[in-house]
Amino acid sequence: GIQVEQSPPDLILQEGANSTLRCNFSDSVNNLQWFHQNPWGQLINLFYIPSGTKQNGRLSATTVATERYSLLYISSSQTTDSGVYFCAVESPAGGTSYGKLTFGQGTILTVHP
Amino acid sequence: NAGVMQNPRHLVRRRGQEARLRCSPVKGHSHVYWYRQLPEEGLKFMVYLQKENIIDESGMPKERFSAEFPKEGPSILRIQQVVRGDSAAYFCASSPGAGSTEAFFGQGTRLTVV
Repeated sequence: GIQVEQSPPDLILQEGANSTLRCNFSDSVNNLQWFHQNPWGQLINLFYIPSGTKQNGRLSATTVATERYSLLYISSSQTTDSGVYFCAVESPAGGTSYGKLTFGQGTILTVHP
Repeated sequence: NAGVMQNPRHLVRRRGQEARLRCSPVKGHSHVYWYRQLPEEGLKFMVYLQKENIIDESGMPKERFSAEFPKEGPSILRIQQVVRGDSAAYFCASSPGAGSTEAFFGQGTRLTVV
């Protein structure tokens, strides 16, 4: 099956710093999503981005499907950005795999005041 | 619009008991997925269902685990005769189908087996 690798595994920032999280995947994808799992365990949708670039406030994401990677940018980080960031992909196999997501291991972000 | 609703949020069971986890998808979504997150790990796919049909259960343990998504009512993930290794967070996601596979997740059910 498709492999998803995220880097770095851990990231510690001071409030106000910028950061870039990376997601590499081993095959072409139908769907790629970024999620934030907050300290209470809730999974929050950040981006649905199988290709191209999107921005939402201080966050933006770029997926280069032909080169099999995606980047999540966090600017002017805040303590509330702390948590785990997951990348998840859906392979284009279709059929019984329709919508089935494979997750990376996540990047643990800690933002200090 | 209500998002994906899971209940209970926390569930404690003794070894050997049954655990029932419920998931109501986003209104209008016909595709439901269950994922399990073991401590310090990412989420792993368990099962994909549409109304009254199991489409893909390749990620679900062969014994003690079952899932359903009836014509009426929520999707249910059932774990019989729970063991300590079943302790995990169980997440449900739904997507609209019809050309979009963007998944929306519930808040999860944290199962603790004592």
